[in-house]
Amino acid sequence: QKEVEQNSGPLSVPEGAIASLNCTYSDRGSQSFFWYRQYSGKSPELIMFIYSNGDKEDGRFTAQLNKASQYVSLLIRDSQPSDSATYLCAVPGGKNQAGTALIFGKGTTLSVSS
Amino acid sequence: DAGITQSPRHKVTETGTPVTLRCHQTENHRYMYWYRQDPGHGLRLIHYSYGVKDTDKGEVSDGYSVSRSKTEDFLLTLESATSSQTSVYFCAIRTTGPEAFFGQGTRLTVV
Repeated sequence: QKEVEQNSGPLSVPEGAIASLNCTYSDRGSQSFFWYRQYSGKSPELIMFIYSNGDKEDGRFTAQLNKASQYVSLLIRDSQPSDSATYLCAVPGGKNQAGTALIFGKGTTLSVSS
Repeated sequence: DAGITQSPRHKVTETGTPVTLRCHQTENHRYMYWYRQDPGHGLRLIHYSYGVKDTDKGEVSDGYSVSRSKTEDFLLTLESATSSQTSVYFCAIRTTGPEAFFGQGTRLTVV
């Protein structure tokens, strides 16, 4: 069973700072990595995903992969109070057709103070 | 918006009663999933479907069954609800890429 581990936080950063969220994954063969944001009482929404062949930047968000250490990071530049949420990391599962299902970490709560 | 609708959005039910949650999609995508989300456990896969009448178990399937008789509908049934099934249930779909998109969720309370 694949596992994804995240520090539950809370991670507190001041407005305008860089927030760095990490997750580690157990399967060295994982090929894609997903970051979701979940506001309290809402459903998870996809922020971005990357493949194992490279990092990705989208606006204020950057996803970086460290294959050797088996962790993926999400950097949020110029953090805003509206970024305060729980961030979920996920990888595809690997059991038969469940290879299509995402396995999630428990999430890291980010708090951005103004 | 991936066109996913969950119903009901909130439900309170008594222990021992059967409960069915519905997930409806408007775009005929093949893969659909049911997750539950609990404090301290995160999102856990209950069941999934890879086509009409094609379903399989996920990590926490005990006490749950599913059916998919039409591409657009994926039903989750709690055969005899227990307090441990109090949770928030999310349906998700895959569209053309590897990512999953979630419905609004159903908050179920078993008393």
